[in-house]
Amino acid sequence: GENVEQHPSTLSVQEGDSAVIKCTYSDSASNYFPWYKQELGKRPQLIIDIRSNVGEKKDQRIAVTLNKTAKHFSLHITETQPEDSAVYFCANSGGSYIPTFGRGTSLIVHP
Amino acid sequence: ETGVTQTPRHLVMGMTNKKSLKCEQHLGHNAMYWYKQSAKKPLELMFVYSLEERVENNSVPSRFSPECPNSSHLFLHLHTLQPEDSALYLCASSQNLAGTETQYFGPGTRLLVL
Repeated sequence: GENVEQHPSTLSVQEGDSAVIKCTYSDSASNYFPWYKQELGKRPQLIIDIRSNVGEKKDQRIAVTLNKTAKHFSLHITETQPEDSAVYFCANSGGSYIPTFGRGTSLIVHP
Repeated sequence: ETGVTQTPRHLVMGMTNKKSLKCEQHLGHNAMYWYKQSAKKPLELMFVYSLEERVENNSVPSRFSPECPNSSHLFLHLHTLQPEDSALYLCASSQNLAGTETQYFGPGTRLLVL
């Protein structure tokens, strides 16, 4: 089945720094790549997504880039704030209608 | 935060108990999912329903039994669970069963099996 590798598992940054989380996948038929944020004790929520016909998408301080040739996509958070602290999950789907999730990255933003 | 609701939010049960988890979505979606979330592991898909029909059973032990009486409600019936089944059980829904659909998650049921 599809395999999604997510790195790093933990990321610690100072407030104001940038954070980058990367995921690699194996299914070349994948065409949808969402990112979910899960704050402590809360549900995962979609924060940004990208489809395979686009290389980059930006929403304020959050951006996602996709490299279909290399089969990887990344989440970029600029000017991090303490409220960005959470677990972030990448996912991909398309080859199958069922999304496959990465293991998650615990982002800690120190004030 | 009321699009997908789950009850109970917390559940403690013994290995011989029978209990049920309930999920309800108020979004008019046609697909619903059960996930298991354990510490240090990826989200594990358990079951998928589309228009009340089960379309995926991801090698889940028979001590977990799903039920989808209509497109708004999803249940997970539990019996003779093991301590390793302790986890957060998340329900999700999406408009349709398509790989490009956003999933909307419920708050989860935190289950502890003693």
